[in-house]
Amino acid sequence: QPVESGGGLVQPGRSLRLSCVVSGLNFDMYAMHWVRQVPGKGLEWVAGISWNSEKKAYGDSVRGRFTISRDNAKQSLYLQMNSLRADDTALYFCAKERMMGFGETHFDSWGQGTLVTVSS
Amino acid sequence: SYVLTQPSSVSVAPGQTARFTCGGDNLGGKSVHWYQQKPGQAPVVVVFDDSDRPSGIPARFSGSKSGSTATLIISEVEAGDEADYFCQVWDRSFDQWVFGGGTKLTVL
Repeated sequence: QPVESGGGLVQPGRSLRLSCVVSGLNFDMYAMHWVRQVPGKGLEWVAGISWNSEKKAYGDSVRGRFTISRDNAKQSLYLQMNSLRADDTALYFCAKERMMGFGETHFDSWGQGTLVTVSS
Repeated sequence: SYVLTQPSSVSVAPGQTARFTCGGDNLGGKSVHWYQQKPGQAPVVVVFDDSDRPSGIPARFSGSKSGSTATLIISEVEAGDEADYFCQVWDRSFDQWVFGGGTKLTVL
């Protein structure tokens, strides 16, 4: 199961890097994603990355500000968040796509999330 | 970008059937996945690829799709089914995963 970390309180305009460690499976066989949720609201897909990092994609609201990456040797996924805004405040989940392909199937394993609060 | 439309709430009595709809343009060409999220927990997939059920999900959960609408059905609803339900698709045109706004199930 994925375990996220790196969340916290950050001022608008600053940066934050989230991490997600996945154990118990061959991490390098699966596409991975970040999904966020404002407490009490819906799910918003943030970004995804293919198993070999060749394909990356971003949601409209974060494109150009956030960067997704992974280190298969460390079984880890990352999200570098720059130019943070108040509306980036949310619980950020790390999620594994069921198969190797990007966009091929559903997310079958989720972490419990790490909370990011953007406020002065 | 692609939009999935879900009603905000559904209410049913225990033992009855709950139906959740998810609408989107050209939905017929996309695979629809459904997630259940209980308060304070991460989402869990209950139906994938329109109508398949993961192992461990009760047979009371089923899915279908017709035209531009996908439907999640929970038969013999129990109090423990009370949760938010989200639909999801992959929008190949924009290379984006899209979630519906979610439907809150209240068991009366």
